[in-house]
Amino acid sequence: QVQLQESGPGLVKPSETLSLTCTVSGGSIGSYYWSWIRQPAGKGLEWIGRIHASGSTNYSPSLKSRVTMSVDTSKRQFSLKLSSVTAADTAMYYCARGRVGLSGTRDFDVWGRGTLVTVSS
Amino acid sequence: QSVLTQPPSVSAAPGQRVTISCSGSTSNIGNNYVSWYQQLPGTAPKLLIYDNNKRPSGIPDRFSGSKSGTSATLGITGLQTGDEADYYCGSWDSSLSAYVFGTGAKVTVL
Repeated sequence: QVQLQESGPGLVKPSETLSLTCTVSGGSIGSYYWSWIRQPAGKGLEWIGRIHASGSTNYSPSLKSRVTMSVDTSKRQFSLKLSSVTAADTAMYYCARGRVGLSGTRDFDVWGRGTLVTVSS
Repeated sequence: QSVLTQPPSVSAAPGQRVTISCSGSTSNIGNNYVSWYQQLPGTAPKLLIYDNNKRPSGIPDRFSGSKSGTSATLGITGLQTGDEADYYCGSWDSSLSAYVFGTGAKVTVL
């Protein structure tokens, strides 16, 4: 079955750029939108954005100015870059597979285990 | 800042039934599918209900979902200690062109 694995630095300095990659195994990267979702410790889920294999993207309005997502279909990977990070960006970051409906993403049926990113000097 | 509102917590004794509400608007729940996620302590969320009321393979029928207007409800019957978790609703928001999650509800088995 499809599995997702997040990877990237666990510690990022304030004002720098957070970079994460999600590797898809056991299935195709096409036909789905792939999302990044984060969760600060003890808090709720926050959708960051999504990318299709074609490169089409949607970003959360609150993070749009700092987010860039990309996809490498040959490696079956998609990536997240979040610039100008602060302590408020410290969170568990999940990648997830989004199934598509007539309007937007219907749900997330496959999730990675998550990777903890701490923003600190 | 969550767009969908859930009660912070619900609780009941083993074997009982609980319901969790999720309140939104016409731009999300009112015109798009609702899904529900279960997050056990220390783990990633798991899809519990999709398309308002469908269960993925392997999810017991003790879990059910419904939607009416701009609100949705998750029901859990025959409550078990293993159901203690955080539960989130979610839906696409057509006005924001973004996916929105609920504030989350913690289920406690008394």
